[in-house]
Amino acid sequence: ELKVEQNPLFLSMQEGKNYTIYCNYSTTSDRLYWYRQDPGKSLESLFVLLSNGAVKQEGRLMASLDTKARLSTLHITAAVHDLSATYFCAVDTSGGGADGLTFGKGTHLIIQP
Amino acid sequence: DTGVSQNPRHKITKRGQNVTFRCDPISEHNRLYWYRQTLGQGPEFLTYFQNEAQLEKSRLLSDRFSAERPKGSFSTLEIQRTEQGDSAMYLCASQYQPGTAVYEQYFGPGTRLTVT
Repeated sequence: ELKVEQNPLFLSMQEGKNYTIYCNYSTTSDRLYWYRQDPGKSLESLFVLLSNGAVKQEGRLMASLDTKARLSTLHITAAVHDLSATYFCAVDTSGGGADGLTFGKGTHLIIQP
Repeated sequence: DTGVSQNPRHKITKRGQNVTFRCDPISEHNRLYWYRQTLGQGPEFLTYFQNEAQLEKSRLLSDRFSAERPKGSFSTLEIQRTEQGDSAMYLCASQYQPGTAVYEQYFGPGTRLTVT
């Protein structure tokens, strides 16, 4: 059974600081997704990582994928309050979504002024 | 608005009643997925369609759950004889999947079900 583990599950940090969220998964996959969810809202796609060594950046967020280590990271640079949300990583092991995505439990991020 | 839409957004029902949710995907997307999300958890995959064909349904939670996509456009998810444990957010996602290229799934706003 595929397991996707995120850590930390809760993170409170100050504006201006840097931090990294980790996503480990238990089986071979070369497709990993990061989503953001605001309270009471649906999921917003942030990044799609499709190969070993893939790195993508958008604003203060940067995601990377190491398929050999089965690890993805989401790095936050100089955090701002607007980035407060829950961040999910999700793994696709079926080669195109045929088995759906398997999500981690999410990292609840609070950024304090 | 050209995103994924879901109706109703909220549904309160009494235990034992049947409920049906609707999802309208992004128009050119050929794949449609249903997920369930409970409080404090990530979404859990239930089923998916490619056009009108339901290609995976073994992950539906019980035989009380069923889904259709009759013309390859909108989809419905029905829960019969609801139980309190069915209370959750039900999310629909659509995806454009032309052959082997990979595209992300776009999620709708969800239907929040409360079973009393």
